[in-house]
Amino acid sequence: QVHLVESGGTLVKPGGSLRLSCAASGFTFSDYHMTWIRQAPGKGLEWVSYITTSGSTTHYADSVKGRFTISRDNARNSLYLQMNSLRAEDTAVYYCARTGEAVANYWGQGTLVTVSS
Amino acid sequence: QSVLTQPPSVSGAPGQRVTISCTGSSSNIGAGYDAHWYQQLPGTAPKLLIYGNINRPSGVPDRFSGSKSGTSASLAITGLQAEDEADYYCQSYDSRLSAYVFGTGTQVTVL
Repeated sequence: QVHLVESGGTLVKPGGSLRLSCAASGFTFSDYHMTWIRQAPGKGLEWVSYITTSGSTTHYADSVKGRFTISRDNARNSLYLQMNSLRAEDTAVYYCARTGEAVANYWGQGTLVTVSS
Repeated sequence: QSVLTQPPSVSGAPGQRVTISCTGSSSNIGAGYDAHWYQQLPGTAPKLLIYGNINRPSGVPDRFSGSKSGTSASLAITGLQAEDEADYYCQSYDSRLSAYVFGTGTQVTVL
């Protein structure tokens, strides 16, 4: 079955950088677009970034554009999110999700990123 | 500030029917983009509940149903059960923002 496991979340200072990873299994990773979605503590969901199957096309929410970079390694069945210039408002649980027709079909369990001094 | 508006909370007794609205605009649901629904049980990751406005993924009980009309979408839960207590989010695409958007979320309470 589809299994997505995020990792890399931790406490980081404002202005710092962090790289999240998502390990995929149970499906042909290279056949699916992938997405990062986040949820601030006690808040709703926010679509952060999206990448197509080959990695040739990416999209970002305005809130992270220019600071975050999504990438993937189809040989390693892995998705990544490089996060730079982190701000307090980036504090959230970050989920990776397998994506169909603009819908997040399967989600990982999430990894918590806390940005605080 | 989300472009898809949901009621903050709805409640019902076991066995009752509740509905959750998702109000959008002419740049998202009203433009023909599909609405999708997710269920987030307490302390867990969201799960896809309805996709393409009306479709249920395998394993989702038929107590859950979706609909779409004009610039809005709705999720109905019939025969409400205690295990349905969760947060529910709608989601679509917005052409004006060129972004995927989530609704504000609705907390369902079973009385």
